[in-house]
Amino acid sequence: EVQLVQSGAEVKKPGESLKISCKGSGYSFTSYWIGWVRQMPGKGLEWMGIIYPGDSDTRYSPSFQGQVTISADKSISTAYLQWSSLKASDTAMYYCVRHLTPMMEDAFDIWGQGTMVTVSS
Amino acid sequence: QSALTQPRSVSGSPGQSVTISCTGTSSDVGGYNYVSWYQQHPGKAPKLMIYDVSKRPSGVPDRFSGSKSGNTASLTISGLQAEDEADYYCCSYAGSYTPFVFGTGTKVTVL
Repeated sequence: EVQLVQSGAEVKKPGESLKISCKGSGYSFTSYWIGWVRQMPGKGLEWMGIIYPGDSDTRYSPSFQGQVTISADKSISTAYLQWSSLKASDTAMYYCVRHLTPMMEDAFDIWGQGTMVTVSS
Repeated sequence: QSALTQPRSVSGSPGQSVTISCTGTSSDVGGYNYVSWYQQHPGKAPKLMIYDVSKRPSGVPDRFSGSKSGNTASLTISGLQAEDEADYYCCSYAGSYTPFVFGTGTKVTVL
């Protein structure tokens, strides 16, 4: 079964750093783009960025460029989303997604269960 | 890069059809045949319903259909059922530099 399993919920203080994970299984992890999607409480979906684990080629939305870092460790089939200094406005559910085919252009067919990040003093 | 525009809400009675529009620009919706649609029930992860404008993944009922004209894509749900009540989001490829943009989302209510 193809699946993405994300790390658990996090509660952090403003200014702290954080790295959440997304482990792929059931398919060739290095052959498919992995993306991250943010959903703030009660709001819509926002595309953040993607990475191709095979060569670590990464693209970001202008809204998130410089605010987060996307990375991947292909040896353990895991993608990451990290912050160096969290803000209260980073409070949201974060989903990792796999593309339907190895093409960057394609839709997101597999979604992780989501990781809730709460940033509060 | 601005979000694609969707109506805030649409509604219909069981058995009726509803159509959700998704308006972008020639740099996203109008420029590529890579529009997808996602269904999200409360508290759940989104689910892919339509990809490449009009293709349905295995397991998605054929009462869900997609189309595109110019800079506007559409999702039609025919024979509306109670379980179709959810939020729906469109998404379009927008070029290799900043590849994707989501729509603003539409709440579908089954009356």
